[in-house]
Amino acid sequence: KAGVTQTPRYLIKTRGQQVTLSCSPISGHRSVSWYQQTPGQGLQFLFEYFSETQRNKGNFPGRFSGRQFSNSRSEMNVSTLELGDSALYLCASSLLPTSGNTEAFFGQGTRLTVV
Amino acid sequence: QKEVEQNSGPLSVPEGAIASLNCTYSDRVSQSFFWYRQYSGKSPELIMSIYSNGDKEDGRFTAQLNKASQYVSLLIRDSQPSDSATYLCAVKSNQFYFGTGTSLTVIP
Repeated sequence: KAGVTQTPRYLIKTRGQQVTLSCSPISGHRSVSWYQQTPGQGLQFLFEYFSETQRNKGNFPGRFSGRQFSNSRSEMNVSTLELGDSALYLCASSLLPTSGNTEAFFGQGTRLTVV
Repeated sequence: QKEVEQNSGPLSVPEGAIASLNCTYSDRVSQSFFWYRQYSGKSPELIMSIYSNGDKEDGRFTAQLNKASQYVSLLIRDSQPSDSATYLCAVKSNQFYFGTGTSLTVIP
């Protein structure tokens, strides 16, 4: 059974550009959550999607957005990149929405560097 | 106040010893609790989940939950150098909240 797949693994972008990251959850999982991980802040919740609907959103500016497709694959987009957006972006896959009793499994992450 | 607090460490134990990792949380309605292991440069890997008060054992790992004290712990018995990693405590209510992790080093 394939795990959570995130693409690309590494990205280097320039300030002001935008970026799109992709996440394919475990087969059969319908919930996808996104996190930003930095050394100083740890894992910060961005948003969660279930059945193509955003269920929860963390405390990030509107430059961070996401969506989920009918096959449960999810994308997140960051516009007008800032240096502080450099981080490891992790996607987590769950069978059910995270409001239920369910475990979350992480993908390998996308390492974004903004220069 | 942070939702989930962990001692950042570093925690060093000799090989074969018991490593004890602790976590406290602030939201009393939290229902589910998890421990993840993260090796340097890698993504978090789920190692234990616990939902009710008491102990849950899985191999060398034991998770302990005390909801009254809002406290979760992870014990690693017979620690191995391969256990050297950062351990993240996660607590779930309407979303996952993660601690910043405890760095564990097992000394051969």
